[in-house]
Amino acid sequence: KAGVTQTPRYLIKTRGQQVTLSCSPISGHRSVSWYQQTPGQGLQFLFEYFSETQRNKGNFPGRFSGRQFSNSRSEMNVSTLELGDSALYLCASSSLGEKLFFGSGTQLSVL
Amino acid sequence: GESVGLHLPTLSVQEGDNSIINCAYSNSASDYFIWYKQESGKGPQFIIDIRSNMDKRQGQRVTVLLNKTVKHLSLQIAATQPGDSAVYFCAEISKEGGKLIFGQGTELSVKP
Repeated sequence: KAGVTQTPRYLIKTRGQQVTLSCSPISGHRSVSWYQQTPGQGLQFLFEYFSETQRNKGNFPGRFSGRQFSNSRSEMNVSTLELGDSALYLCASSSLGEKLFFGSGTQLSVL
Repeated sequence: GESVGLHLPTLSVQEGDNSIINCAYSNSASDYFIWYKQESGKGPQFIIDIRSNMDKRQGQRVTVLLNKTVKHLSLQIAATQPGDSAVYFCAEISKEGGKLIFGQGTELSVKP
């Protein structure tokens, strides 16, 4: 069974640009959640989608958004990038929202 | 507010020794806890979980202990190996589900 797949693995953007990250969950998992990981703040919850509906949202500005498709694949978008958005963005999937399995992440660098 | 924190940021052990990684949580209503292992360049890897109706759960070389009275969680790794070197995170599931609240992490270093 394939694990959680995130693309791309690395991204370099400049301030003001926008970025879209993609996540393919484990087959059969309907919950997809996103986390931001930085050395200073650790792992912080961004949002969770279940059956195409956002079920939970963390304390991030509106520049961070996401969506989930009917096949459970998910994307997250960050608009008007800031230097502080540089981080490892992790996607996790689960069947019911409890035991989460993570992908390897997308390392975003904002210059 | 909700928070899950680890007592020690780093832990160094000798290969073959047992390791104990501790975690304190603040939300007494949390009913599900998970330990993750994160190696450099990888995402967190599920190790073991425990529900609040249990005090102890064992896996392969790992044991999780839950003390609800003092809101404390620990991960014990038996016969620690160099491959166990990583950052370990405890996390609790919020009541809403799907949202993990992570501790800051403990870096485990295994000396050969």
